[in-house]
Amino acid sequence: GAGVSQSPSNKVTEKGKDVELRCDPISGHTALYWYRQSLGQGLEFLIYFQGNSAPDKSGLPSDRFSAERTGGSVSTLTIQRTQQEDSAVYLCASSSRTSGSYNEQFFGPGTRLTVL
Amino acid sequence: GQQVMQIPQYQHVQEGEDFTTYCNSSTTLSNIQWYKQRPGGHPVFLIQLVKSGEVKKQKRLTFQFGEAKKNSSLHITATQTTDVGTYFCAGRGAGGTSYGKLTFGQGTILTVHP
Repeated sequence: GAGVSQSPSNKVTEKGKDVELRCDPISGHTALYWYRQSLGQGLEFLIYFQGNSAPDKSGLPSDRFSAERTGGSVSTLTIQRTQQEDSAVYLCASSSRTSGSYNEQFFGPGTRLTVL
Repeated sequence: GQQVMQIPQYQHVQEGEDFTTYCNSSTTLSNIQWYKQRPGGHPVFLIQLVKSGEVKKQKRLTFQFGEAKKNSSLHITATQTTDVGTYFCAGRGAGGTSYGKLTFGQGTILTVHP
């Protein structure tokens, strides 16, 4: 079946512009996560959605970052007034639940964002 | 907040040598997962450990979860060039409103010289 997809795969933008990154999770997965990975670094948690619950936004680095998940499926991560330090690979992952426990996360291929 | 530390950051080995990466959490975990990221790729799930003291094996890979559920390790026996990549541990807290959240370690970058 289809995995997690993300678009665009690459995005080059100028400092100060807004960008939108899209994630299509695996169908039926109720949990959706956004991470940021800088070159050679680990995964920095940004935000997490679970069903209809309020999202956990504790990882968003500033108020320039926001995300939404429409209809419990597709998610969009928006970065306003981009800065050069926002350059990174943005990874989306989704996960299902079994008997209340979370299963493994399936990652998309990521969006490489470059801010000039 | 919860922190997950992973060491070493880098490991260079000759093909055939063993490799171990260690993961330590600042708080007790409900479970821990391990992922592998090949160069240029995205993280791929390897295994989940849930029980205190649990040991699981996948061919040449051995995963352990500490008795206190605060630390874990991944050991690879007789490394091969196909083992190259970054290995991440990811811990899930014992409860609370963000039970679904995973905290990733910084990863260990493994290089295998043929």
